Amino acid sequence: AQKITQTQPGMFVQEKEAVTLDCTYDTSDPSYGLFWYKQPSSGEMIFLIYQGSYDQQNATEGRYSLNFQKARKSANLVISASQLGDSAMYFCAMREGYTGGFKTIFGAGTRLFVKA
Amino acid sequence: NAGVTQTPKFRVLKTGQSMTLLCAQDMNHEYMYWYRQDPGMGLRLIHYSVGEGTTAKGEVPDGYNVSRLKKQNFLLGLESAAPSQTSVYFCASSTFRSEQFFGPGTRLTVL
Repeated sequence: AQKITQTQPGMFVQEKEAVTLDCTYDTSDPSYGLFWYKQPSSGEMIFLIYQGSYDQQNATEGRYSLNFQKARKSANLVISASQLGDSAMYFCAMREGYTGGFKTIFGAGTRLFVKA
Repeated sequence: NAGVTQTPKFRVLKTGQSMTLLCAQDMNHEYMYWYRQDPGMGLRLIHYSVGEGTTAKGEVPDGYNVSRLKKQNFLLGLESAAPSQTSVYFCASSTFRSEQFFGPGTRLTVL
């Protein structure tokens, strides 16, 4: 069954340091996509980065990179040079392909606190 | 470009009342989704649609119904509201490879 696990309810990081947010997934569909979103206290969902299951290289978007380890079924988000504005909830999500009915589900999230 | 809009933004219901939440998108996306988010938790998929006229159950479908009569609209219905359905409801749309585009959310309270 499709499953997304984020094991870190909360994380603290010093401003300007890098932080890794963990995400593991489980699916039997060979075609899937992995996403990370940020949800600040205002409540909106902000897309950060995408990784396709057949992509050979890890995705990067500015200060965000996705450490994709397919054999381990992990898709960790790395934020480099943390900023105070990075304090928010972060969600990992997975969309399955045809086999899974194109369903998209989310993990429980990790709350990141950036300290000055 | 409006993106994804949700109507209403806030609603208070009494137990047993019914209501419909409307989601509209103007990006010609095939896929649309309804999620609920309870305080301090992640988004749980209620129902979703991969095209006009099609719907499918998500993780927590009980107590909700949906319809997608037009490609741009996705309606979520509560036939008999219960306090356990108090939540923030998010609608989203996407293509298969694109990220999801989210609406601003509807805050529903059931007394």
